[in-house]
Amino acid sequence: SQTIHQWPATLVQPVGSPLSLECTVEGTSNPNLYWYRQAAGRGLQLLFYSVGIGQISSEVPQNLSASRPQDRQFILSSKKLLLSDSGFYLCAWGQGEGYGYTFGSGTRLTVV
Amino acid sequence: AQSVAQPEDQVNVAEGNPLTVKCTYSVSGNPYLFWYVQYPNRGLQFLLKYITGDNLVKGSYGFEAEFNKSQTSFHLKKPSALVSDSALYFCAVRDRTNAGKSTFGDGTTLTVKP
Repeated sequence: SQTIHQWPATLVQPVGSPLSLECTVEGTSNPNLYWYRQAAGRGLQLLFYSVGIGQISSEVPQNLSASRPQDRQFILSSKKLLLSDSGFYLCAWGQGEGYGYTFGSGTRLTVV
Repeated sequence: AQSVAQPEDQVNVAEGNPLTVKCTYSVSGNPYLFWYVQYPNRGLQFLLKYITGDNLVKGSYGFEAEFNKSQTSFHLKKPSALVSDSALYFCAVRDRTNAGKSTFGDGTTLTVKP
């Protein structure tokens, strides 16, 4: 079966520290992968997407970066976190044209 | 550019009554439209989609949605609400490019009271 894993579930990090959030997909190959941020439990903002290994597109200029070192792995990173990076980060996998997304369970990041 | 609007931040209904959560969209060409549900501190779950064909689409947990091209709307409906339907609901439009990016509305909190 097809599943998506995202970790950690919660993270508290000091300002200026690095960040690495990981997302992996099982049961499919060459998926489209997406990182979204949800602020204050409301709308989702697309941060990055990837249509293949090493292919990253950024939607919003920011303090974050993304990488796709393997077909089913998508990583969200930062060298130095800001307070404004706090939020709920969601990884999603697109199942192909006309299909909906499958989301990971999310990471609650609090920058202190 | 594609966009989605959910005009209501909050919808309150009594258990057993019908519910409607509104969504309008803006997109070039024919849309791919979706509804998702989110429970606290969880990822979004797919409910239903409109790709083509019948304007009334049925999805999970008894939900359905009506696509109206002339009004550019895709309202979520359920004939009889349950307390367990209380959650945050998102409407989304997905583009038809290889990237398949989705744009989400701001969400509507549905509260079903016993």
